[in-house]
Amino acid sequence: SQTIHQWPATLVQPVGSPLSLECTVEGTSNPNLYWYRQAAGRGLQLLFYSVGIGQISSEVPQNLSASRPQDRQFILSSKKLLLSDSGFYLCAWSRTGPSYGYTFGSGTRLTVV
Amino acid sequence: AQSVTQLDSHVSVSEGTPVLLRCNYSSSYSPSLFWYVQHPNKGLQLLLKYTSAATLVKGINGFEAEFKKSETSFHLTKPSAHMSDAAEYFCVVRSNQAGTALIFGKGTTLSVSS
Repeated sequence: SQTIHQWPATLVQPVGSPLSLECTVEGTSNPNLYWYRQAAGRGLQLLFYSVGIGQISSEVPQNLSASRPQDRQFILSSKKLLLSDSGFYLCAWSRTGPSYGYTFGSGTRLTVV
Repeated sequence: AQSVTQLDSHVSVSEGTPVLLRCNYSSSYSPSLFWYVQHPNKGLQLLLKYTSAATLVKGINGFEAEFKKSETSFHLTKPSAHMSDAAEYFCVVRSNQAGTALIFGKGTTLSVSS
């Protein structure tokens, strides 16, 4: 069976510090991978998605970047965090095809102070 | 273009009474529709999905939803609420056009009182 791992679960970082959130998927190959951010009362915002190694699509221009160095690894990064980067970050994977839903990781609660 | 509107930001029910969470969608192409549930500080769990088969879709934990194309709606229902149903619920649309991602509604918080 497929599983998705996301870490850390919580993170408190000062403004201006770097960020690295990691997500890995097991039990499948060539998954589509996604990073979403959830802010209070604003639903989920798609940040990045990837259909293959090294292929990253950005949905929202901002302070963040994503990389996919391996087939089942997806990393969300920032060189300098802003207060507005605080939120709940969710990684997800899906198979290719419009009828497939996503399987989400357990999320990372990021607080920038 | 796709969008989804959850008509209520907060719904309160008593335990044992029916639940109705409303969702309307807009999609240029034939859509796939989903409902996800999120308990506090947890990831999202798929409740059910519609992918152009039967218009009445049954999901986990007794939930079901009906796809009504004429009304562009995909409302989530449950005959009898349980305390454990208290959570946030997201209606989600995905166009059948290749390369599109899921688009989430802003969520409906369901409260269940005893």
